Amino acid sequence: EVQLVQSGAEVKKPGESLRISCKGSGYSFTSYWISWVRQMPGKGLEWMGRIDPSDSYTNYSPSFQGHVTISADKSITTAYLQWSSLKASDTAMYYCARHSGYPPFDYWGQGTLVTVSS
Amino acid sequence: QSALTQPASVSGSPGQSITISCTGTSSDVGGYNYVSWYQQHPGKAPKLMISDVSNRPSGVPDRFSGSKSGNTASLTISGLQAEDEADYYCSSYTSSSTPYVFGTGTKVTVL
Repeated sequence: EVQLVQSGAEVKKPGESLRISCKGSGYSFTSYWISWVRQMPGKGLEWMGRIDPSDSYTNYSPSFQGHVTISADKSITTAYLQWSSLKASDTAMYYCARHSGYPPFDYWGQGTLVTVSS
Repeated sequence: QSALTQPASVSGSPGQSITISCTGTSSDVGGYNYVSWYQQHPGKAPKLMISDVSNRPSGVPDRFSGSKSGNTASLTISGLQAEDEADYYCSSYTSSSTPYVFGTGTKVTVL
């Protein structure tokens, strides 16, 4: 059974760093891309960026480029989304999702809620 | 890359059919058959309902169907049921620097 299991909810202060994770199982982790998707409270889905776990090639939406970093460790079939300096506006639910080079996003993680507040 | 345009809300009575539109451009919806649809219940992760414009993944009820004409894709729910009440998002591959784009989302209400 394909599963993407994300790390738990986080509460952070502005300026702090954070890394959240997404562990894949039940499939060949290096055969599919992982994308990260943001959903701000009460809002829609926004594509942030993706990684090819086979070679760690990444690309980002211009809206998120430079503010987040996506990485992966194929030895433990885990992808990561990290911030070096969080802002209050980063408060959102973050989902990871699996896909081939093209859509669809066929499996999704359960989501990680990130709350940034002083 | 701007979000694809969907109606904010659509409603229908049980048993009726509803259609949700998803309008983009020739650089996304109109240019590729990589349109997909996702259902999201409150507090839950999105779930794939339709891929590649009109393909239904295993386990998705056949009352869900997809189509495309020009720059507009559509999701039709026939025989609306109470459990279909949710938010629905379309998505498309794009030729821009952002390879994927989502729609603005549609709240479906079962009256």
